[in-house]
Amino acid sequence: KAGVTQTPRYLIKTRGQQVTLSCSPISGHRSVSWYQQTPGQGLQFLFEYFSETQRNKGNFPGRFSGRQFSNSRSEMNVSTLELGDSALYLCASSRAPGSRGENGYTFGSGTRLTVV
Amino acid sequence: KQEVTQIPAALSVPEGENLVLNCSFTDSAIYNLQWFRQDPGKGLTSLLLIQSSQREQTSGRLNASLDKSSGRSTLYIAASQPGDSATYLCAVLPGANSKLTFGKGITLSVRP
Repeated sequence: KAGVTQTPRYLIKTRGQQVTLSCSPISGHRSVSWYQQTPGQGLQFLFEYFSETQRNKGNFPGRFSGRQFSNSRSEMNVSTLELGDSALYLCASSRAPGSRGENGYTFGSGTRLTVV
Repeated sequence: KQEVTQIPAALSVPEGENLVLNCSFTDSAIYNLQWFRQDPGKGLTSLLLIQSSQREQTSGRLNASLDKSSGRSTLYIAASQPGDSATYLCAVLPGANSKLTFGKGITLSVRP
């Protein structure tokens, strides 16, 4: 069965631009979470969506936003990019909050964003 | 606030050695704990998931244990191989509706 698909794999943007990343969860998974990974901070939670609703949000500025569509696919958007936004952005899918104990999370391969 | 610690940050061992990777967490009220592997520049691969009611899980040469009362989990790797070289991350789920909290990971190098 197909895993979690993130596109694009690599992205280079200029400061001030905006970017949109996409994540398609495993079929049947309705929850999508986003994480930012940097060498200094490790993995930091951005937000989680379930049934097109944001359920949890991390401590990131409003420039970071996301949404989920009716087919469970999710996008995250970063506006007015800064050099510090350079990171690996990882998406994770799970069935639903209530069943997470049995199945855990499945992560995608990530999108490497470089801001120059 | 749940905090997850993995020490040391890096480890180098000769091939064939049995080794233990440690993970500690500050709040024992967890829903489950998951161990991941990450190769350089890649995503996370789930290795083992231990539910709060379980004490250990095994998969091949890997065995993970959980001691909630002491806030510790260990990942045991038997007969290590160069292909085991990667970063190993421990993540705790505090509640069913919570977010995963990760440690910073342990970068393992297995020397041929």
